[in-house]
Amino acid sequence: AQTVTQSQPEMSVQEAETVTLSCTYDTSESDYYLFWYKQPPSRQMILVIRQEAYKQQNATENRFSVNFQKAAKSFSLKISDSQLGDAAMYFCASANYGGATNKLIFGTGTLLAVQP
Amino acid sequence: DAGVIQSPRHEVTEMGQEVTLRCKPISGHNSLFWYRQTMMRGLELLIYFNNNVPIDDSGMPEDRFSAKMPNASFSTLKIQPSEPRDSAVYFCASSLIVFSSYNEQFFGPGTRLTVL
Repeated sequence: AQTVTQSQPEMSVQEAETVTLSCTYDTSESDYYLFWYKQPPSRQMILVIRQEAYKQQNATENRFSVNFQKAAKSFSLKISDSQLGDAAMYFCASANYGGATNKLIFGTGTLLAVQP
Repeated sequence: DAGVIQSPRHEVTEMGQEVTLRCKPISGHNSLFWYRQTMMRGLELLIYFNNNVPIDDSGMPEDRFSAKMPNASFSTLKIQPSEPRDSAVYFCASSLIVFSSYNEQFFGPGTRLTVL
């Protein structure tokens, strides 16, 4: 069974600084995807970034990047130049690759506060 | 496209009452997912449909919960009778599943259910 673990219930960062959110996962599959979702106070689930496990290159999306360590089963999210709008709950998630479904397994989330 | 539409956005009911949550997936999507978010258990997949057929309902907590998808543009999640522990945010998500390719899930805004 897939599991996703986020060991940081809360994090805080100063505006314009960099913060890293941690995530570890466990899966028996060889092909899978990893995701970071953002959930602001509006409750909307927003996909921030995704990583295909077969790709060695770390994914980046503007100020967001990941550090994917496949052997260690680690998938951290780095937010550079933090902005007030980045304040939200962040969820790490995994899903098996392809097939007839892509069930998302979520971690418990990290609440990120951004201090002005 | 309007995205995934859920109704109602908020529902307050009394214990023992029947509750029906509704979801309209994105047009053209062939898979639909129901998730529940609570403080204690985080985000959990309850059930998902592929081409209107329930594929995996192993996440449905008990017989009081039922879900239907009578056509490609509508799904319901029903709780009868409701209990206070059912209080949560219920998300619907949809996706276009194509075998062996990336299939992003798009989430609705969620329904906040409070059972008194």
